[in-house]
Amino acid sequence: LAKTTQPISMDSYEGQEVNITCSHNNIATNDYITWYQQFPSQGPRFIIQGYKTKVTNEVASLFIPADRKSSTLSLPRVSLSDTAVYYCLVGATSGGGADGLTFGKGTHLIIQP
Amino acid sequence: NAGVTQTPKFQVLKTGQSMTLQCAQDMNHNSMYWYRQDPGMGLRLIYYSASEGTTDKGEVPNGYNVSRLNKREFSLRLESAAPSQTSVYFCASSVAGTTDTQYFGPGTRLTVL
Repeated sequence: LAKTTQPISMDSYEGQEVNITCSHNNIATNDYITWYQQFPSQGPRFIIQGYKTKVTNEVASLFIPADRKSSTLSLPRVSLSDTAVYYCLVGATSGGGADGLTFGKGTHLIIQP
Repeated sequence: NAGVTQTPKFQVLKTGQSMTLQCAQDMNHNSMYWYRQDPGMGLRLIYYSASEGTTDKGEVPNGYNVSRLNKREFSLRLESAAPSQTSVYFCASSVAGTTDTQYFGPGTRLTVL
């Protein structure tokens, strides 16, 4: 299983860039890396997904080194509303099953004024 | 589109009682998932259904059964509830597989006394 490790919590300030790193040493060839955001009392929401190198969308960037054993979610110019838990998900179906689908424990990001 | 809906939102059971958590999606997705979320544990996959008529065990399937009733609906059943099953349960769906974006429902908060 591709287990993931993330920092439990992080603090930052409004307007700063925040980088959250996820470690996934046992990532398999077919695995993708996906990040989700979760607010209290809500289900997680997709942020970004990548396989290798760099991916950017309107809310975040995802950096994946060549060995793919880690990934970094980058949130530019955060605001108070970015306070949430961020999950790194690594996995892919294998033979029709989902035994490789593993969420990390999440990083609680707190943004201060 | 309602997206992914779950019923009920809250439920209190006594040890040994049974119940079924309902999940439905209106996005014509093939894959559906059941997760549980406990404090400090992140999201853990209980069961996964790649398509109508198929189900696979996830990381924590013991004590649960599932039914993929049709393409839209995926139910989770607790035959004999235990206090260890106190948790928040999330249902999710994706277009075709676990590498696709998962869309989550609002969750069911279950307490087993």
